Amino acid sequence: GQQVMQIPQYQHVQEGEDFTTYCNSSTTLSNIQWYKQRPGGHPVFLIQLVKSGEVKKQKRLTFQFGEAKKNSSLHITATQTTDVGTYFCAGRIYTGKLIFGQGTTLQVKP
Amino acid sequence: NAGVTQTPKFQVLKTGQSMTLQCAQDMNHNSMYWYRQDPGMGLRLIYYSASEGTTDKGEVPNGYNVSRLNKREFSLRLESAAPSQTSVYFCASSETPAAVSTDTQYFGPGTRLTVL
Repeated sequence: GQQVMQIPQYQHVQEGEDFTTYCNSSTTLSNIQWYKQRPGGHPVFLIQLVKSGEVKKQKRLTFQFGEAKKNSSLHITATQTTDVGTYFCAGRIYTGKLIFGQGTTLQVKP
Repeated sequence: NAGVTQTPKFQVLKTGQSMTLQCAQDMNHNSMYWYRQDPGMGLRLIYYSASEGTTDKGEVPNGYNVSRLNKREFSLRLESAAPSQTSVYFCASSETPAAVSTDTQYFGPGTRLTVL
């Protein structure tokens, strides 16, 4: 079946270092969404990318959607302790179904 | 607006017991979803309801049943709980049925279930 793979599963960084998580789909996506889940919390929508090659920024976060609409990445510049949590990508396939990646858990050492 | 609410927040069951997880949303959303979250597995869809009066199976429906009671409420029932159902359960809602490409999902706070 359709899958959305996300790597790495875990990442530990020193505060101030950059962080990137990658998402790859086995099939072409209609769009891709990114969610953040703080420890003990619930997923919260961050952003949606729709167009091939699209790049969007939210302060220190940069989101990219690949040209083939099969992969995406989230890059955080100069991480802060407030960035701690699990980041999920969710790809929407042609049926409309949203498929979540396994998530990348980010730990930031102060 | 409370958004999406779930009850209970925590629950411990013995193998074979039954229980119902409750979910309600006050955003007038059409679609509602139940997910389970396990370490390293991400969020897996159990059941969803694209609109009031309809329900469909997701990726992992075995051992669960759902009821879309009305537009606001969507419950998940475990008829005979098993240790493999120990998980965190999230309810979510979205404004329009899943086929609309710009739809985003709003999640409830979750129910942490342990089956002994």
